[in-house]
Amino acid sequence: AQSVTQLGSHVSVSEGALVLLRCNYSSSVPPYLFWYVQYPNQGLQLLLKYTTGATLVKGINGFEAEFKKSETSFHLTKPSAHMSDAAEYFCAVSDHGRGSTLGRLYFGRGTQLTVWP
Amino acid sequence: NAGVMQNPRHLVRRRGQEARLRCSPMKGHSHVYWYRQLPEEGLKFMVYLQKENIIDESGMPKERFSAEFPKEGPSILRIQQVVRGDSAAYFCASSSGQGTNWNEQFFGPGTRLTVL
Repeated sequence: AQSVTQLGSHVSVSEGALVLLRCNYSSSVPPYLFWYVQYPNQGLQLLLKYTTGATLVKGINGFEAEFKKSETSFHLTKPSAHMSDAAEYFCAVSDHGRGSTLGRLYFGRGTQLTVWP
Repeated sequence: NAGVMQNPRHLVRRRGQEARLRCSPMKGHSHVYWYRQLPEEGLKFMVYLQKENIIDESGMPKERFSAEFPKEGPSILRIQQVVRGDSAAYFCASSSGQGTNWNEQFFGPGTRLTVL
């Protein structure tokens, strides 16, 4: 089974500062990779995803993530934080292809991002 | 184009009662997934369904929990004889099951179950 590790359950940055949220996965085969954002009492919204191709992926709201196979990482970054970015962020992976257990997402425990004015 | 719908948004049950959670996938989506989120934890996979078929239920507790996705109507997650440990947020997601984005999952707002 896949596992996902998000380093740091809480990250605090000042408005305008760089945001870096870390995600590492365990898999012998590179999986599909996702970042989701969850605002209080809401569902998850997809920020970006990596399946194949270019390893630097751009998403919504100015976020991007880079897939590094050698480091089994998919860290999320944003050059300049905004107050509206305060939320919980989840990294997730899924297996390639289709089939019975393929398709399910494995989530990290989440990182709560706080943005200070 | 409406997104994934879940109802109720909040559900309160007493121990021993039954909870029924409903999920209507996005229009055109035929794959449904249920996840559970316990406090301060990530989402845990429970079950993956297609119309009238359970594809993967390896994440479901062995007892009291069941899920269905009938030919007509929403997907239902049913919890019988609820206990306090069932208190959590339950999220449904749907995907098209087709094309290169076959597994891109869109999430509903969740049902927050509280067991008294």
